[in-house]
Amino acid sequence: KAGVTQTPRYLIKTRGQQVTLSCSPISGHRSVSWYQQTPGQGLQFLFEYFSETQRNKGNFPGRFSGRQFSNSRSEMNVSTLELGDSALYLCASSSSIRTYEQYFGPGTRLTVT
Amino acid sequence: QQQVKQSPQSLIVQKGGISIINCAYENTAFDYFPWYQQFPGKGPALLIAIRPDVSEKKEGRFTISFNKSAKQFSLHIMDSQPGDSATYFCAASNLYSGGGADGLTFGKGTHLIIQP
Repeated sequence: KAGVTQTPRYLIKTRGQQVTLSCSPISGHRSVSWYQQTPGQGLQFLFEYFSETQRNKGNFPGRFSGRQFSNSRSEMNVSTLELGDSALYLCASSSSIRTYEQYFGPGTRLTVT
Repeated sequence: QQQVKQSPQSLIVQKGGISIINCAYENTAFDYFPWYQQFPGKGPALLIAIRPDVSEKKEGRFTISFNKSAKQFSLHIMDSQPGDSATYFCAASNLYSGGGADGLTFGKGTHLIIQP
């Protein structure tokens, strides 16, 4: 089975812009979660989508949003980018039966200048 | 509030030795405790996980020890190899009875170096 894929792998944006990141889960997985990884804060949970509905949300401002499509693919959007949004954004997928077993993609490295 | 505290931050072990990484949690609702391994430029990979109904789980050279009363769990890597050099993260989550789970709460990570 192919793993979780994320596009693009690298992205450079300017402060104030918005960005959309994409994630394709493992085939058959219906749950997609997003995490932010930074050297200072470590790995932090952003939100989880299951069957096109946001099921869980972490403690991030409303500038961070997401959605999931009927084929389970997910996108994450960050509006009005700030320098502190520079991070590795990781997507993880899991099956309906074992939702807690999360399998991560390689991440998208976002740099905000 | 750091809900999962991981130590040490960095660890150097000789090849063939035992690597031990410790984590402590605060939230008693946590009932799923995975460990992840991350290599540079890669996403975290699920290594091994444990539920509170058992005190130990072993998979190959990797063992999780779990102490519910102390709210602590640890990862032991036996016969450590240079290829084990990576960053290791402990995590915790609360599972829902109807399916689903909270997002994972991660420790800050341990940078492990196995010297040949």
